Amino acid sequence: DAGVIQSPRHEVTEMGQEVTLRCKPISGHDYLFWYRQTMMRGLELLIYFNNNVPIDDSGMPEDRFSAKMPNASFSTLKIQPSEPRDSAVYFCASSLNRGMNTEAFFGQGTRLTVV
Amino acid sequence: GIQVEQSPPDLILQEGANSTLRCNFSDSVNNLQWFHQNPWGQLINLFYIPSGTKQNGRLSATTVATERYSLLYISSSQTTDSGVYFCAVTGFQKLVFGTGTRLLVSP
Repeated sequence: DAGVIQSPRHEVTEMGQEVTLRCKPISGHDYLFWYRQTMMRGLELLIYFNNNVPIDDSGMPEDRFSAKMPNASFSTLKIQPSEPRDSAVYFCASSLNRGMNTEAFFGQGTRLTVV
Repeated sequence: GIQVEQSPPDLILQEGANSTLRCNFSDSVNNLQWFHQNPWGQLINLFYIPSGTKQNGRLSATTVATERYSLLYISSSQTTDSGVYFCAVTGFQKLVFGTGTRLLVSP
């Protein structure tokens, strides 16, 4: 398997614009996670899905952020409107639930810069 | 929620030296992973180790779940080992990260 695939790798956008980040999880994995990494806050869990259903979105910073998983092989994280403080690296990860034991694998991340 | 603490926060080694990184967690966990974030930002899986000991080349890890800690051992360090090492634990499916140990191995 090619692993978790994220696109784009880099995104530079102007404040106020809509940004969409994309993720393709590992085939067969039933959990998908979105994380954000910043110097100040480290790696934070934003939202995760199980079988395409959002389970916990308590980490989503505010209403400007939304995430969807229309099918088992695709998820999006959207920021509308974007602000400079959204600049960060956004990671997607997936895992396969084998009882309570799971191992998560991460994509290469999307480095977002909002100017 | 679960708290994950890593120590030391920073570590500088001479190439060839050995080191031990520690991860403490505040509650019972279902699994624990160690990651290496390389200078390019990639998160590389090192170990999936909810309990016991595993070895992979110069790296090994031990988790003592009953005492809520895990150790990552790096032997004969190389410059390519530089980066940030993260411990992450799962309570109920949510993978919670520690703040990491930043390692610099100098030649």
